[in-house]
Amino acid sequence: DQQVKQNSPSLSVQEGRISILNCDYTNSMFDYFLWYKKYPAEGPTFLISISSIKDKNEDGRFTVFLNKSAKHLSLHIVPSQPGDSAVYFCAASEGGSNYKLTFGKGTLLTVNP
Amino acid sequence: DAMVIQNPRYQVTQFGKPVTLSCSQTLNHNVMYWYQQKSSQAPKLLFHYYDKDFNNEADTPDNFQSRRPNTSFCFLDIRSPGLGDAAMYLCATSRASGPRAKNIQYFGAGTRLSVL
Repeated sequence: DQQVKQNSPSLSVQEGRISILNCDYTNSMFDYFLWYKKYPAEGPTFLISISSIKDKNEDGRFTVFLNKSAKHLSLHIVPSQPGDSAVYFCAASEGGSNYKLTFGKGTLLTVNP
Repeated sequence: DAMVIQNPRYQVTQFGKPVTLSCSQTLNHNVMYWYQQKSSQAPKLLFHYYDKDFNNEADTPDNFQSRRPNTSFCFLDIRSPGLGDAAMYLCATSRASGPRAKNIQYFGAGTRLSVL
């Protein structure tokens, strides 16, 4: 039973355009959400996070939006660059004293020049 | 640079032959994790150490064991690897500093295990 779902295995966008990666979750106890980026032959790298008390967090070209009522979050990359091509994982934590992360299967983003 | 290092990057073992994967960190984080990731799947947590306290996931097979001799090192032991254990194994660390700690985990590059 997947608690974190990334329903799009892949996404292709043109350089300079917006990339939108989506993530849905089912566990209402999740209160902290993270996005990781993974290049081939490397481990996942932390990108951006958001607490459940917020609905938006922005860091440069990357913005994460959280819709708690819909149990949905999205990562926006504007403008997209070829170097952004990677697998993006959504992850969630119940917080408190629970330090575990639950990951989605990932979305492969390809940014075409 | 402070980092999480996994050795080896690639490991080939024979069916049933014990194998050990290693992870070291220079971040001085008190929590260390082992994940298994198969192709096109989400990383799956096997277990984690909070300091010296070992926390096993309920569905982690007994075939998988772990040791953490000190803060910096953590080992994953697969006692009798089967063909289904071929996967990428990821080590991660985090600093857990209180009940509302934001759990950002830092990953190594992984060890890809092949079982022949």
